[in-house]
Order: sequence, then structure tokens, then C-alpha cells
Amino acid sequence: NAGVTQTPKFQVLKTGQSMTLQCAQDMNHEYMSWYRQDPGMGLRLIHYSVGAGITDQGEVPNGYNVSRSTTEDFPLRLLSAAPSQTSVYFCASKPGLSTDTQYFGPGTRLTVL
Amino acid sequence: GQQLNQSPQSMFIQEGEDVSMNCTSSSIFNTWLWYKQDPGEGPVLLIALYKAGELTSNGRLTAQFGITRKDSFLNISASIPSDVGIYFCAGQLSGGSQGNLIFGKGTKLSVKP
Repeated sequence: NAGVTQTPKFQVLKTGQSMTLQCAQDMNHEYMSWYRQDPGMGLRLIHYSVGAGITDQGEVPNGYNVSRSTTEDFPLRLLSAAPSQTSVYFCASKPGLSTDTQYFGPGTRLTVL
Repeated sequence: GQQLNQSPQSMFIQEGEDVSMNCTSSSIFNTWLWYKQDPGEGPVLLIALYKAGELTSNGRLTAQFGITRKDSFLNISASIPSDVGIYFCAGQLSGGSQGNLIFGKGTKLSVKP
């Protein structure tokens, strides 16, 4: 199993550009989530999904959209990037919402100029 | 929302020394987790705790679930250079969106050889 994979590893955007961060898992996990990590702020939940077709907002959802058309994929979309979205983004998955063991992807480092 | 207070924020220690860090919360958690993040990587689960008072070890790491269920501790004995990284605590409630993990802000550990 590859576990949780994320692409790209690094990305630089200009303010106002849009892009999609890709996330995929091959563990048949129902639950997937996106976090952003900023210095001194820890990991903050952006959006999560408890299954295909179901998404919900986390702690810091503004400026981000998600969809879950398949169990395997959970892309994160930035419609109009802003410098405040410069961060490291982690995708994670676990078998279900109530389970605790969560697996993280390697991260995407995004810089918005 | 719920917050976890993790301390210390950073530690600079000599190789061979023992390390202690802790997390406290205003909320009662059903599960406490400890993750380690190596530079440039996603967090990896170290230890999971499920019961108040539980003490669990993983090699040189020992973690405890506080009796009040509002805190947890992680100890690393005889530190080595590869212990360098950021350690995160995470708590989980149960039911509905409370299945999402709540993360502390991390303890950055540096080890001098």
C-alpha cells in the first residue's frame, strides 16, 4: 500500500490564481481530512469527509473547497489564492470518524506571492 | 472550539538526556494520541491512549493518559539525535464531528550530539 499520497510536493502561486491540491489513499478509509500547518499554530483542520459524497467544514474552511466523489480521492481547491494561504498542507485519512489512528500524507508546501 | 495547551514549545537538550512534555485541555477526551513529525514529512503516530490512568510505552517513549482525562504526558528516555522533530499531542472526543482530532501546537525537540 502507498498509504496517503499528495501532489504536488511544492507549489508557488500568484495572488488570485486557483489550484487543486491532490490527495489519495489506498487503504479504503472512509474518513479523509485536510489540515494546514503554520509556525506556532500546530495543525488546523480545514475540511473533512466521512465518506464519498459527504464533506463538512473544519476549524478554518474559508477560502477552500473540497469534494469527495470517490472513497480514494479528496482534492482541496483554492479558488483565488491569497498570501494568507501560504502554508504546509497535510491530507490525512483513517478508517472512520470514530477511529483514532490517523495516517498523514507527506504534505504540500504552498507559497502564495 | 476546544484547545490543547502543549508545553514546552521547544526544547534543546543534550544527547542522552530524558525529555518530558505535556498537553492539557479544558475538555475531557476519550483518546489521547502522540505524533512525531520529522522535518519535511507528515506526522506519524507514536502512541495511542484509551483509558484514564493508562501508561503505555513504545521503546524509549512512554506516554500517560491523565486521571482527569484532561491531560497527557510524553516522556522520552536517553534521547538520541534521531529524536529531533516536532511532537504533537492530539485528543479525540466521540460522537458526531467530535471524532475529529484536535491537535496541540507542538513541541520542537532539538538534540545536541
